[in-house]
Amino acid sequence: EPEVTQTPSHQVTQMGQEVILRCVPISNHLYFYWYRQILGQKVEFLVSFYNNEISEKSEIFDDQFSVERPDGSNFTLKIRSTKLEDSAMYFCASKKESYEQYFGPGTRLTVT
Amino acid sequence: AQTVTQSQPEMSVQEAETVTLSCTYDTSESDYYLFWYKQPPSRQMILVIRQEAYKQQNATENRFSVNFQKAAKSFSLKISDSQLGDAAMYFCALTSGSRLTFGEGTQLTVNP
Repeated sequence: EPEVTQTPSHQVTQMGQEVILRCVPISNHLYFYWYRQILGQKVEFLVSFYNNEISEKSEIFDDQFSVERPDGSNFTLKIRSTKLEDSAMYFCASKKESYEQYFGPGTRLTVT
Repeated sequence: AQTVTQSQPEMSVQEAETVTLSCTYDTSESDYYLFWYKQPPSRQMILVIRQEAYKQQNATENRFSVNFQKAAKSFSLKISDSQLGDAAMYFCALTSGSRLTFGEGTQLTVNP
């Protein structure tokens, strides 16, 4: 069964550094999402992406964040200058046409 | 704006017994979907069950069923014959086509 994959599973970075989180959505899916979950809190929407552009973003998704689909398979989330409060689990999700989003296993980002 | 509320931060159940997790929501949309996701300690988001708002019949998936009360904006999850593997954080979520909005989660403990 096809699944969403994410790399790395765990990323440790120093404050101020740039990080790129990578996702490979399910191949025939058209809509892509990033969510984050700070430890012990609920999952929060960051951004949605469709037809090679951002379709919606939350107030969390400020100028420090960007997304890209550099080729036909990868979907990336870049954080330009990480802060301590960016430490969280980041989930990628994708969907075809229906309402059902399929989640990847997540990348745990630790900013020190 | 959409909101999802889970008022039970923690629940516990004896193995083989039944437990019900509560969720209420608010949306101004007429067309939406509701989901329950399970998050074990690995933090993977696993879809448990979904409900289309236009369907009156409650969804069921093996031991999992929902009680969808559209007028009351309530969407509870019933787990029958609870198993040790059901122990996890459970999130209720809502979408009307784009972003998923999650509740705060309910930590379910299953006692042997």
